[in-house]
Amino acid sequence: GAVVSQHPSRVICKSGTSVKIECRSLDFQATTMFWYRQFPKQSLMLMATSNEGSKATYEQGVEKDKFLINHASLTLSTLTVTSAHPEDSSFYICSAKGDSVDQETQYFGPGTRLLVL
Amino acid sequence: AQKITQTQPGMFVQEKEAVTLDCTYDTSDPSYGLFWYKQPSSGEMIFLIYQGSYDQQNATEGRYSLNFQKARKSANLVISASQLGDSAMYFCAMSSQGGKLIFGQGTELSVKP
Repeated sequence: GAVVSQHPSRVICKSGTSVKIECRSLDFQATTMFWYRQFPKQSLMLMATSNEGSKATYEQGVEKDKFLINHASLTLSTLTVTSAHPEDSSFYICSAKGDSVDQETQYFGPGTRLLVL
Repeated sequence: AQKITQTQPGMFVQEKEAVTLDCTYDTSDPSYGLFWYKQPSSGEMIFLIYQGSYDQQNATEGRYSLNFQKARKSANLVISASQLGDSAMYFCAMSSQGGKLIFGQGTELSVKP
């Protein structure tokens, strides 16, 4: 139980285009989802927290107009990187928490590697 | 402010031996949770073990155990009988308000055959 999927696993795009990343909880309802970003050889940095049906809460320094987050259902959250630039190249990983699984633990998706040319 | 510190950038251990990965934390919250995650080269974050701040006993999950010393604010991970597949990055994390996780810098563990 507590499986989280992410799609796509890897994406290469041209500078200026937008990229959408999906995060799904497959076998539980995710009341809260989190989006992280990880640069090579570094730790995970929280970008935003999203609760189903409400606006995401962004961490300081994260541009909400550039990183659009939608948590439309209890099993799906999306992160859209708008007008991507090479400096947005990174590993993006989501996690989910739910009431029907261990409420303390965040379960992570497999991550999405974004390369902006 | 809350903070997690992992002071070992890299660790080596011989296969079948035990290894301890250090983690210290700082928080003023009376209630918090401590986690360890494993991140292999593929990138996914694999949940290993959880310790609640009010738990009386140290958490154990198979070959993983968490040495929780509340007074010292430490939550070290002990891996017994290391296997080659244990080679990975290991992150210690602490839950804060709203369930957000704060991660340490990570420790890269290499298991030698």
